[in-house]
Amino acid sequence: DAKTTQPPSMDCAEGRAANLPCNHSTISGNEYVYWYRQIHSQGPQYIIHGLKNNETNEMASLIITEDRKSSTLILPHATLRDTAVYYCIVRAPNSGYSTLTFGKGTMLLVSP
Amino acid sequence: DTAVSQTPKYLVTQMGNDKSIKCEQNLGHDTMYWYKQDSKKFLKIMFSYNNKELIINETVPNRFSPKSPDKAHLNLHINSLELGDSAVYFCASSQGGPQETQYFGPGTRLLVL
Repeated sequence: DAKTTQPPSMDCAEGRAANLPCNHSTISGNEYVYWYRQIHSQGPQYIIHGLKNNETNEMASLIITEDRKSSTLILPHATLRDTAVYYCIVRAPNSGYSTLTFGKGTMLLVSP
Repeated sequence: DTAVSQTPKYLVTQMGNDKSIKCEQNLGHDTMYWYKQDSKKFLKIMFSYNNKELIINETVPNRFSPKSPDKAHLNLHINSLELGDSAVYFCASSQGGPQETQYFGPGTRLLVL
């Protein structure tokens, strides 16, 4: 699986959009980009994933650049409960029953 | 209803003891996992089971023995606990397949004294 690079921490004001970047310059053509988050003292939670098209669900939007070397997770209206560590993970779809490889992630702090 | 549950939530024990952590999922998933999150917050896979069969076994001491009585349960038994085993252990499950989403339990906080 390709390696990802994320900033260690970011701040965001409550109600504003939080844009979390992720670099994955060695991503292969068949690898997907996944985002998970871990709120303090809880298990990781799936947010969204995509291959090359932008994706949106009830939690967030995922914007993947045309060359697929980077992506941005967007929380459109951040709340205090969005304070968490956000993990960007790249994985091939034919990994079978492979596991997720978590990096250090980005600690997002949403402030009032 | 809780999708992936773990018991106990907290476990404090002495070095050398044997302990078990239980995990159950009610999602009907085929695959279950155990992850370990150490004090530096790195989350690492330990084991993966598919339909009660071991499919992934990372470099984990053989003091750790997972057991899957059925595909809804994956328990973790740890023999001769050591100080370095102190961590948070997360169970997860997925349906399997190429784009499986993993659902995690709330974690078991193990402290070995």
